[in-house]
Amino acid sequence: AQSVTQPDIHITVSEGASLELRCNYSYGATPYLFWYVQSPGQGLQLLLKYFSGDTLVQGIKGFEAEFKRSQSSFNLRKPSVHWSDAAEYFCAVGAGNAGKSTFGDGTTLTVKP
Amino acid sequence: DTGVSQDPRHKITKRGQNVTFRCDPISEHNRLYWYRQTLGQGPEFLTYFQNEAQLEKSRLLSDRFSAERPKGSFSTLEIQRTEQGDSAMYLCATRTGGLHTEAFFGQGTRLTVV
Repeated sequence: AQSVTQPDIHITVSEGASLELRCNYSYGATPYLFWYVQSPGQGLQLLLKYFSGDTLVQGIKGFEAEFKRSQSSFNLRKPSVHWSDAAEYFCAVGAGNAGKSTFGDGTTLTVKP
Repeated sequence: DTGVSQDPRHKITKRGQNVTFRCDPISEHNRLYWYRQTLGQGPEFLTYFQNEAQLEKSRLLSDRFSAERPKGSFSTLEIQRTEQGDSAMYLCATRTGGLHTEAFFGQGTRLTVV
């Protein structure tokens, strides 16, 4: 069975500082991996995705993530955080053509001025 | 706005009542998913349609839950005899077929059972 672990429930960073959100997955085959962002009371917006190929993927809003098969990780990074990045972030692993995803429990990001 | 529309956005109902939610997908998306999200957790898969066929149901989907997609376009999720534990955000996601396509999520329906 596939699973996703986001070890950090809550992270606080100062505006302008760098950010890394951790994600570890368990999946038997080559995973499809996603990062989503969710603002309060809203649906999920896709930040970036990994299906195959280059293990460093670029997303929207200046985010990037790196797939490391040996560590079963797909960590999200941003070099300089903006106050508008404060939200909840979810990592997900997808199951091939069926497309359903298994999500982690999320990391809440707070940005200090 | 992703183009996936959910209605209503909020629903407050008394325990024991039936509720129905609707999801309108992006027009060319033949795959549709329902998820449930409770406070402090990530979305959990409930069920999946390819066109009008319901291909998979999670064990989370008890007998009180039923989902339909009669013409392969919009979908409805009905909960009968609601319980307080049903209080959650219900999210719909849709995508085209094929391997390397991502799902687009609607803004969800927030259900509160009192």
